[in-house]
Amino acid sequence: EPEVTQTPSHQVTQMGQEVILRCVPISNHLYFYWYRQILGQKVEFLVSFYNNEISEKSEIFDDQFSVERPDGSNFTLKIRSTKLEDSAMYFCASSYRKRTRGGSDTQYFGPGTRLTVL
Amino acid sequence: GENVEQHPSTLSVQEGDSAVIKCTYSDSASNYFPWYKQELGKGPQLIIDIRSNVGEKKDQRIAVTLNKTAKHFSLHITETQPEDSAVYFCAARGPGANNLFFGTGTRLTVIP
Repeated sequence: EPEVTQTPSHQVTQMGQEVILRCVPISNHLYFYWYRQILGQKVEFLVSFYNNEISEKSEIFDDQFSVERPDGSNFTLKIRSTKLEDSAMYFCASSYRKRTRGGSDTQYFGPGTRLTVL
Repeated sequence: GENVEQHPSTLSVQEGDSAVIKCTYSDSASNYFPWYKQELGKGPQLIIDIRSNVGEKKDQRIAVTLNKTAKHFSLHITETQPEDSAVYFCAARGPGANNLFFGTGTRLTVIP
């Protein structure tokens, strides 16, 4: 069964450093998402991406964050200058369709990358 | 924006018993309510979902009910098994959006 994969599983970085989290969505999916979960808190939406541009983003997704689909398979989240409060589990998700277009709009999640900022 | 509350935060049941997890949401326009199961070291996996035009949906031992008037929905697991032990998240999708708003999760432990 196709699945979303993420690398690395755990990333440790120093405050102020840049990190790139990588995701390979399910191959025929068109919509891509990043969520994060700070330890003990809710899973929170960061951003959605379609047709090579951001379609929605939350207040969390400020100028320090960016997303990119550099090729036909990878979807990346970059944090330019990490802060201690960026420490969290980051989940990538993908779906085939958008809600309003019918068909399966189920979001499938990857296993996550645990980011630790020291 | 949408706010989803979930309870209980932890739930322990004996194998074979039923488990019920409840969620409330704030935005009456939300129309899609998935439930995810997260096992240790894995990402959330969809187990069942319900849309606002349906009051109940069942898939084998798992069922979800939705009360739009009261703005709450519940997950019911019958004949629980040890492999049902995991963290369960409810979520809601707001109007005109594709992002999910999650509850805080329920850690279910099924005692053999």
